[in-house]
Amino acid sequence: AQSVSQHNHHVILSEAASLELGCNYSYGGTVNLFWYVQYPGQHLQLLLKYFSGDPLVKGIKGFEAEFIKSKFSFNLRKPSVQWSDTAEYFCAVWNYGGSQGNLIFGKGTKLSVKP
Amino acid sequence: KAGVTQTPRYLIKTRGQQVTLSCSPISGHRSVSWYQQTPGQGLQFLFEYFSETQRNKGNFPGRFSGRQFSNSRSEMNVSTLELGDSALYLCASSLQGEGYTFGSGTRLTVV
Repeated sequence: AQSVSQHNHHVILSEAASLELGCNYSYGGTVNLFWYVQYPGQHLQLLLKYFSGDPLVKGIKGFEAEFIKSKFSFNLRKPSVQWSDTAEYFCAVWNYGGSQGNLIFGKGTKLSVKP
Repeated sequence: KAGVTQTPRYLIKTRGQQVTLSCSPISGHRSVSWYQQTPGQGLQFLFEYFSETQRNKGNFPGRFSGRQFSNSRSEMNVSTLELGDSALYLCASSLQGEGYTFGSGTRLTVV
């Protein structure tokens, strides 16, 4: 079965700094990859997803992610963070195991942006 | 269109009791998945229902069960509650099983 690891538990940045959050998945072959964000007190929202095609995926709120198959990675990036980006970020991969697949999440990375 | 609605938002139960949580998916979505979110374990998959049938199940004990009705609404039941069941329970709906939209969750506290 698939697994997902996120390298950083907590990242603290100042406004306007660049962001890169690491995500690695365990299994090769066809993968569907996702990044979700959970703002304080809010529900999980989809930031972006990759199914196939251009490995550089653009999402909402200026976020992008790059799928690198050879590295089993799907890192999330943003050139300049804002205080409003303070949230927890989850990388997820679609697991095709069992009779039907399911979404497997990493443990999450908390991002704190200092104004 | 209305999002995924979970009720209740908060719940406090005593050890040994049972609890039922409800999820109304986005209109037209036939797949409903449930996740448990805790600070230590993160988001863990409980089960998924599609057209009233459980299609997939995670590694949780039999005390955790669910069902889906003909209108795609789903309920999750936890019997004989333990302190460790305290968590945020999230429901997600989708058309076929990918591209989840999540609800706000039910925060269950077991005392």
